[in-house]
Amino acid sequence: DQQVKQNSPSLSVQEGRISILNCDYTNSMFDYFLWYKKYPAEGPTFLISISSIKDKNEDGRFTVFLNKSAKHLSLHIVPSQPGDSAVYFCAALGGGADGLTFGKGTHLIIQP
Amino acid sequence: DSGVTQTPKHLITATGQRVTLRCSPRSGDLSVYWYQQSLDQGLQFLIQYYNGEERAKGNILERFSAQQFPDLHSELNLSSLELGDSALYFCATTRVTDTQYFGPGTRLTVL
Repeated sequence: DQQVKQNSPSLSVQEGRISILNCDYTNSMFDYFLWYKKYPAEGPTFLISISSIKDKNEDGRFTVFLNKSAKHLSLHIVPSQPGDSAVYFCAALGGGADGLTFGKGTHLIIQP
Repeated sequence: DSGVTQTPKHLITATGQRVTLRCSPRSGDLSVYWYQQSLDQGLQFLIQYYNGEERAKGNILERFSAQQFPDLHSELNLSSLELGDSALYFCATTRVTDTQYFGPGTRLTVL
């Protein structure tokens, strides 16, 4: 069973607009969530994280929102830039798992 | 650049063979995690070492093993290789148990 789900395999957004990537989880014991960005043939690059005691964390153009009651988190990128085109992975830590549990990823395409 | 290095970048081998993948952590990082990324399974946690000792196991096959040396670099050993073991293998390191920083990966192709 997939404990972390990213239901949109791909997302296309115009340059300058907001990109919103979504992630749902099922394990209520997860207590730390991370977003990674990945280009082909490279390792995942850490973007931003959030602890379960918070509901929002901002870092420059990136904001992560956590809704614990809905077991949902989202990553907002504002404004979207061409270099943001990549695969974005949502990951969770805790819940008895010692490594990160990843979603399948969302391929974000920023159109000019 | 995360500061985590992995060698080799690419590895091509035959079924039944044994290979070793190497990971050097960021300076000061004591914990090393290994992950496998395959097309059908996505990124999956294999095993974790902390300061030389095995800390946790994920979906690691019995044919696979790992170790962490006194200088904190880690090696992942894959034996009796099968076609299905072809994947990207990443290591990630961290100081305690917070954000994990990933290396560039090793692409393993089993023919």
